[in-house]
Amino acid sequence: NAGVTQTPKFQVLKTGQSMTLQCAQDMNHEYMSWYRQDPGMGLRLIHYSVGAGITDQGEVPNGYNVSRSTTEDFPLRLLSAAPSQTSVYFCASSTGTAKNEQFFGPGTRLTVL
Amino acid sequence: AQKITQTQPGMFVQEKEAVTLDCTYDTSDQSYGLFWYKQPSSGEMIFLIYQGSYDEQNATEGRYSLNFQKARKSANLVISASQLGDSAMYFCAMRSLAGAGSYQLTFGKGTKLSVIP
Repeated sequence: NAGVTQTPKFQVLKTGQSMTLQCAQDMNHEYMSWYRQDPGMGLRLIHYSVGAGITDQGEVPNGYNVSRSTTEDFPLRLLSAAPSQTSVYFCASSTGTAKNEQFFGPGTRLTVL
Repeated sequence: AQKITQTQPGMFVQEKEAVTLDCTYDTSDQSYGLFWYKQPSSGEMIFLIYQGSYDEQNATEGRYSLNFQKARKSANLVISASQLGDSAMYFCAMRSLAGAGSYQLTFGKGTKLSVIP
């Protein structure tokens, strides 16, 4: 199993550009989520999904869109990138157990100029 | 709303010694889970240990143990016999075990642990 994979690993955008961060998992997990990590901060939840076709907002959803058409994939879209979105982005997936350990992808380091 | 506080931005420990990383939390939920993650300089998030709010025993996973004091709302991580490879950022996190909050992990700001040879 590859676990949780993310592409790209690094990305530089100009203000106003759009892009999609890809996330895929092969563990048949129902729950998937996107976090961002800024310097001196812990991870903050952007969006999450509890299954195909179901998504909801987390703590910091503004400027991001998500969709979940399959169990495996959960892409994160930046419609018009802003310097404030410079961050490291982590995708995570988990089962529905009480422990609900989240398995994290390797992260995408995004810089918006 | 849930909140995690890690008051130690950085910690140093001598190799082979034990170290305690502090974590306090605030929640109005009765049922919740507490987690610790390790983030080495390579950047990945590695799950270390989990404690449920109704678990009577403190969780242990190898050299990691969680000192859970429910009344004090603290969930400190104890690493025994520190190794050089333990140098990393450590994050405490929690989630509700019921309702909409059960899908969200709330993280603290982390503690940077440095192990000295």
